[in-house]
Amino acid sequence: EDQVTQSPEALRLQEGESSSLNCSYTVSGLRGLFWYRQDPGKGPEFLFTLYSAGEEKEKERLKATLTKKESFLHITAPKPEDSATYLCAVQANDQKLVFGQGTRLTINP
Amino acid sequence: GAVVSQHPSWVICKSGTSVKIECRSLDFQATTMFWYRQFPKQSLMLMATSNEGSKATYEQGVEKDKFLINHASLTLSTLTVTSAHPEDSSFYNCSALRTSEQFFGPGTRLTVL
Repeated sequence: EDQVTQSPEALRLQEGESSSLNCSYTVSGLRGLFWYRQDPGKGPEFLFTLYSAGEEKEKERLKATLTKKESFLHITAPKPEDSATYLCAVQANDQKLVFGQGTRLTINP
Repeated sequence: GAVVSQHPSWVICKSGTSVKIECRSLDFQATTMFWYRQFPKQSLMLMATSNEGSKATYEQGVEKDKFLINHASLTLSTLTVTSAHPEDSSFYNCSALRTSEQFFGPGTRLTVL
């Protein structure tokens, strides 16, 4: 059974304090690993897709990396507006996404 | 590009009534859309896969007669919660598939009294 585990469940950082979020997964036939950002009461906002181990993608203060067992979302010098829940999901050959529980990130000014 | 809308954004209804939620891909065609449910402080759980012109595929444990899905065009899928009960209160989200990526709508908050 495809499974995604995200850690930590919640993370509080000071503005400018860099850190990483973890997404561990088991899936039969990984088609892609997705990162989304979700603000309270809103739908997930697409951030990145990673397709193969060793791949990296960047967007502003975020960088996502992928290995065969996990993905990291690195956040560099975060700002309060980066506060949100970050969701990781894996996609197998059937196109369905299996989501992790998410990491609630809070950036204090 | 890749904008998905949902309507309504929130709805309150009485127990026993039916509620329809629309999901539209605004700037691309989507032969496949997905419906998710999200309870407070939990992640998104896939309910069903909606394919244009054919019957939806439901995940295990999701009642197909209660959650009716219609995908009549390449830009519109609807989810009807029939005879809603308080336990159906949740945040319902749809996504539309473009190539291999899913783009989500803003969600619909359903409250059943």
